[in-house]
Amino acid sequence: DVKVTQSSRYLVKRTGEKVFLECVQDMDHENMFWYRQDPGLGLRLIYFSYDVKMKEKGDIPEGYSVSREKKERFSLILESASTNQTSMYLCASSPRVQISPGHFGDGTRLSIL
Amino acid sequence: AQSVSQHNHHVILSEAASLELGCNYSYGGTVNLFWYVQYPGQHLQLLLKYFSGDPLVKGIKGFEAEFIKSKFSFNLRKPSVQWSDTAEYFCAGSLPGGGYNKLIFGAGTRLAVHP
Repeated sequence: DVKVTQSSRYLVKRTGEKVFLECVQDMDHENMFWYRQDPGLGLRLIYFSYDVKMKEKGDIPEGYSVSREKKERFSLILESASTNQTSMYLCASSPRVQISPGHFGDGTRLSIL
Repeated sequence: AQSVSQHNHHVILSEAASLELGCNYSYGGTVNLFWYVQYPGQHLQLLLKYFSGDPLVKGIKGFEAEFIKSKFSFNLRKPSVQWSDTAEYFCAGSLPGGGYNKLIFGAGTRLAVHP
């Protein structure tokens, strides 16, 4: 069965820490996405990548960066975590020809104290 | 600005009731539309999608959606809901050629189905 795996389901960090969220997919997909999901706001795209070492900003990239060194892995980095980054983070992937994210991970619920 | 609106944030139904969740979009011209579902504790899944052609789209698990261009709507329907349909439902839209990076989600509708 195809899978998008996020390294942690729950994570608690402190303000100012550098936080890494990892995502791995086993489907050889070109496209990978990071969203955050907040009540009443739906999903908002933070960054996406359409190939190794390629990235583009989504709608809310401020305070985040990403890394795609290998095709299967897409990392989201909070450079200096702040309380307003407490959220559910979702990783997703899709093949190059598909315009929508087809497969989502289970999500990481991140709390910044 | 392009947007996708879901006006019902919470819906409560009894089993066997009919379901219609509203979704409106603000794009002009051709648009691609999607419905996703997130069951409790599970990852988001694609229910159905509309790119072109027949405006009535059939999805998984008995869901369907109708694209009405004149109303800028893409409402999700199911004639008879089950307790297992309890989930959060997200409508999303994007412009063709605008790329997957421009997929915009609605705020979501939480559906609770009571036995």
